[in-house]
Amino acid sequence: AQKVTQAQTEISVVEKEDVTLDCVYETRDTTYYLFWYKQPPSGELVFLIRRNSFDEQNEISGRYSWNFQKSTSSFNFTITASQVVDSAVYFCALRVNFNKFYFGSGTKLNVKP
Amino acid sequence: GAVVSQHPSRVICKSGTSVKIECRSLDFQATTMFWYRQFPKQSLMLMATSNEGSKATYEQGVEKDKFLINHASLTLSTLTVTSAHPEDSSFYICSASGTTSGANVLTFGAGSRLTVL
Repeated sequence: AQKVTQAQTEISVVEKEDVTLDCVYETRDTTYYLFWYKQPPSGELVFLIRRNSFDEQNEISGRYSWNFQKSTSSFNFTITASQVVDSAVYFCALRVNFNKFYFGSGTKLNVKP
Repeated sequence: GAVVSQHPSRVICKSGTSVKIECRSLDFQATTMFWYRQFPKQSLMLMATSNEGSKATYEQGVEKDKFLINHASLTLSTLTVTSAHPEDSSFYICSASGTTSGANVLTFGAGSRLTVL
């Protein structure tokens, strides 16, 4: 069975603080993809990153960075120097066969000025 | 490239009426489309998977007679909520999978917010 767990329901930080959003996944498939999406209040899903199961290299994109560790089945997302515009719900997702997505429950990030 | 258009973005209807939501792939052929439902402050749950020209495959617990899915062409899938009731109020999101310029793509629509009065 596939499962994605985002234990943090809601996080509040003050602008310029760093924040890490946790994601733990479960799958028996050896080939899979992991994603992070941002969902602002308008509702659309904004793609942030995709990682395949064979690529454990961490990635940095501007203020965003991702730490993929197969040994702990985690794919954590860090925002450095957070900004008010980062406030949104963030979803971690797992994709296996047939393009099905399994979404975590989401973490609501509140960045206060 | 790989744009998915979902329409309408918002719809309000009376209880008992049917509502149709369209999902179009604008610049690629979508061999597979997925429909998700999201209740307020909750995650996205897959409702069904549809392949062009075939009947949709529904997830456990989703009423196929309630949520009619049609994928008649490679660029259009529709979700019809039949005899809608207030508990059907939700945010519905589609995603489309296909190929463009030789690359696999999977893109989400912007979602449709349904309110049933």
